[in-house]
Amino acid sequence: NAGVTQTPKFQVLKTGQSMTLQCAQDMNHNSMYWYRQDPGMGLRLIYYSASEGTTDKGEVPNGYNVSRLNKREFSLRLESAAPSQTSVYFCASRGLAGTEQFFGPGTRLTVL
Amino acid sequence: QKEVEQDPGPLSVPEGAIVSLNCTYSNSAFQYFMWYRQYSRKGPELLMYTYSSGNKEDGRFTAQVDKSSKYISLFIRDSQPSDSATYLCAMTSTGGFKTIFGAGTRLFVKA
Repeated sequence: NAGVTQTPKFQVLKTGQSMTLQCAQDMNHNSMYWYRQDPGMGLRLIYYSASEGTTDKGEVPNGYNVSRLNKREFSLRLESAAPSQTSVYFCASRGLAGTEQFFGPGTRLTVL
Repeated sequence: QKEVEQDPGPLSVPEGAIVSLNCTYSNSAFQYFMWYRQYSRKGPELLMYTYSSGNKEDGRFTAQVDKSSKYISLFIRDSQPSDSATYLCAMTSTGGFKTIFGAGTRLFVKA
C-alpha cells in the first residue's frame, strides 16, 4: 500500500497563475484533509471532506477550492496564486472509526 | 487566543537527557490527545495518542493528559539523536472531524 500520495512534490508559480494539487489514498478512508504548514504556525486546515460528496471550509479557505473526486482522491486548486500562498501543503486521510490522520509527503509551493 | 498553544522552541538537549514537551488548550470538548512526530521534509506521523485524562507509556515515550488544567505533556527518556524532529501536539473531540494542531516544537538531540 502506498498510503497517501501527493503530486507534485515541488512547484514554483508566478503570481496569478493557477494550479491543482493532487492527493490520493488507498486505505479506503472516508475523511480527507488539506493543510498548509508555515514556520511557527503549525498545521492549519484549509478544507476537509468528511465523506465522499461533501466538503467543508477549515481555518484558512480563502484563495482555495477543493474537489472530492471520489473516495480515493481529493484535490486542492489555487485559482490565482499569491505570494502569501507560498507554503508546504499536506494532504491527510482518516478512517471512519479512527482518530489518527495519515499524511502524505507534502508539496512545497513557491509563488513568486 | 489559539485553541492550542505550543512553544515552537527550538529545544536542544544532550543525548541521554529527559525531554519534556508541552501544550495547553482551551476547548474542554477535546477528548483525544495526540502527539505527532515530523522529520525534516516529511509528513507528520502519529507517535502516541491518549483518550481523556491519564498517562500512557510506550517504550521511551510517555504521554500525560491533565484535563483539569487543560495541559498535555510528552516525555522522552534517554533521548537519542534519532529523536531530533518536530513534535506536534494535536487534539480532537469525540465524533469530531477536525483535529487542531499545535505549532510544533523543534527538538535537537546532540550526540
